[in-house]
Amino acid sequence: KNEVEQSPQNLTAQEGEFITINCSYSVGISALHWLQQHPGGGIVSLFMLSSGKKKHGRLIATINIQEKHSSLHITASHPRDSAVYICAVYDQGAQKLVFGQGTRLTINP
Amino acid sequence: KAGVTQTPRYLIKTRGQQVTLSCSPISGHRSVSWYQQTPGQGLQFLFEYFSETQRNKGNFPGRFSGRQFSNSRSEMNVSTLELGDSALYLCASSLGQRRLYEQYFGPGTRLTVT
Repeated sequence: KNEVEQSPQNLTAQEGEFITINCSYSVGISALHWLQQHPGGGIVSLFMLSSGKKKHGRLIATINIQEKHSSLHITASHPRDSAVYICAVYDQGAQKLVFGQGTRLTINP
Repeated sequence: KAGVTQTPRYLIKTRGQQVTLSCSPISGHRSVSWYQQTPGQGLQFLFEYFSETQRNKGNFPGRFSGRQFSNSRSEMNVSTLELGDSALYLCASSLGQRRLYEQYFGPGTRLTVT
């Protein structure tokens, strides 16, 4: 079993829909990151959080430390949001970032 | 501020050769981490450097090595290349070590081993 599990693996939605991507982890962490990767490979850090909730524009990230679970929400989704979203946790024991397998999001116009 | 840069962007090598990849962090960032991304294994941590010292290493064979210079620029080297080393190699820089510092990723070097 992977230390970081994301769901769903693939998600297709229509423009304007509310999107939720989930991340569960099994290790003790210092922080959790949500990353966005577009075709071509470039990765952008969307959020880094260790508790509570953060919001940036149409993106919202939440984390529940007790349940070892995080969610990434996109409101009013747009085709430009199409990308792979990756959850990564900083494993306190191993002292390294451990990544989920990614969620491929496609937003159709 | 300029972002993280990686050179070269694309590389084709044959089995048995060695390769050196370079990463220039954002000015002022002292930590550089390297990651390998493959379709089968996803993103995996290779190593982290801070102030010219390797702070941590992932589960990769000794053929993978790296170093960091006094200006924080970093290089990674892969010797005796194998077909399975074909991957996107990403570096990321941050202000400090590990933990609660946001990481800024470079565009990656796509290595193909034939």
